[in-house]
Amino acid sequence: DQQVKQNSPSLSVQEGRISILNCDYTNSMFDYFLWYKKYPAEGPTFLISISSIKDKNEDGRFTVFLNKSAKHLSLHIVPSQPGDSAVYFCAASLTTDSWGKLQFGAGTQVVVTP
Amino acid sequence: EAGVTQFPSHSVIEKGQTVTLRCDPISGHDNLYWYRRVMGKEIKFLLHFVKESKQDESGMPNNRFLAERTGGTYSTLKVQPAELEDSGVYFCASSQGRRQGFGGELFFGEGSRLTVL
Repeated sequence: DQQVKQNSPSLSVQEGRISILNCDYTNSMFDYFLWYKKYPAEGPTFLISISSIKDKNEDGRFTVFLNKSAKHLSLHIVPSQPGDSAVYFCAASLTTDSWGKLQFGAGTQVVVTP
Repeated sequence: EAGVTQFPSHSVIEKGQTVTLRCDPISGHDNLYWYRRVMGKEIKFLLHFVKESKQDESGMPNNRFLAERTGGTYSTLKVQPAELEDSGVYFCASSQGRRQGFGGELFFGEGSRLTVL
């Protein structure tokens, strides 16, 4: 039973424009959400996170929005750069659960074109 | 400081054979995790060690999978006998103590790609 879903397997965006990646979850008990970025032949690396007590967290070009009532979060990348081309994974966890046990989505492949 | 290292990077075996994957976590990290990504799907949790003890192995698919962490240092994940559906990329991750400002402190290795023919 997949509790974190990324319904868009791929996204193509022009350099300089905004990339918007979406993620939905089904478990209302999740209280911490993360985005990881993965380049080919590398492991996922942490990008940005948000606690369920917030609805927005910003770090440079990356902003994550959380809508708890809709069980939905999104990642905005502005402006998109060619180096942002990667697979982005949404992940969720329970802070009361096993430390570091994350539920991941299937990922969204982002391609930033010049 | 060395990151999480995994070996081998790619293994091709036949159905019924045995494969052992190794993970060396970041030095000093008590927590070690195994995850698996099958055929472009989600990355799934397999198990979690705290030092040498299994904290949570709820994600292990079946008893063909055996994970160990000798002396709380490196870990091995053995698949015996391997089946076709075991093909995928096995990621190891490590982190320090419990919930130190939780937020991305999982450091992943590059993964071990397993192909079972």
